[in-house]
Amino acid sequence: GDSVTQMEGPVTLSEEAFLTINCTYTATGYPSLFWYVQYPGEGLQLLLKATKADDKGSNKGFEATYRKETTSFHLEKGSVQVSDSAVYFCALSGYTNAGKSTFGDGTTLTVKP
Amino acid sequence: DTEVTQTPKHLVMGMTNKKSLKCEQHMGHRAMYWYKQKAKKPPELMFVYSYEKLSINESVPSRFSPECPNSSLLNLHLHALQPEDSALYLCASSQEGPSGRGNQPQHFGDGTRLSIL
Repeated sequence: GDSVTQMEGPVTLSEEAFLTINCTYTATGYPSLFWYVQYPGEGLQLLLKATKADDKGSNKGFEATYRKETTSFHLEKGSVQVSDSAVYFCALSGYTNAGKSTFGDGTTLTVKP
Repeated sequence: DTEVTQTPKHLVMGMTNKKSLKCEQHMGHRAMYWYKQKAKKPPELMFVYSYEKLSINESVPSRFSPECPNSSLLNLHLHALQPEDSALYLCASSQEGPSGRGNQPQHFGDGTRLSIL
């Protein structure tokens, strides 16, 4: 079945540091890929998405590129802020399971001033 | 502001109580979902409604009973819950459901934090 593997956390960075959170997936066909963010006390929010190979999703300074050759969708940000502290989930959804998103385990990011 | 509204935000109930969680969206989305989320874990899918019909039940115990009165509303009726059911319950919606391509994101509410005494 489909699966998503995220780098283990927690991740602690200083403000203005570069962020990478790795995400790799296993799926049949050509899934769509998503990054969701969950701030404390809130639900998940879509951060960005990509629906086909080589697509780059971007939002709020975050970027991720759909790499089919390496089955990856790594999240990056050039300069993190304290307000980026949250849990980040990589997820996929596709034709074979459109009603079900497969989530990674989540990566907790803490940014210190 | 979240476009999916869940009430109540917090709920404490005994194991013999009956209560309901409510979810509302006005984005015209055709699919609505219930998830259960434990601390520091990803959401676990419970139910999916597509065009107001139950299309996916992830083998959820019968003490959880979903209901979709119309295309904007989703309820989760709770009865005789167990302490291990304490969790954050998230509602979500999306433009497409199980018959779609899977390229539409889900929009989540902020959840109901449920505690079973």
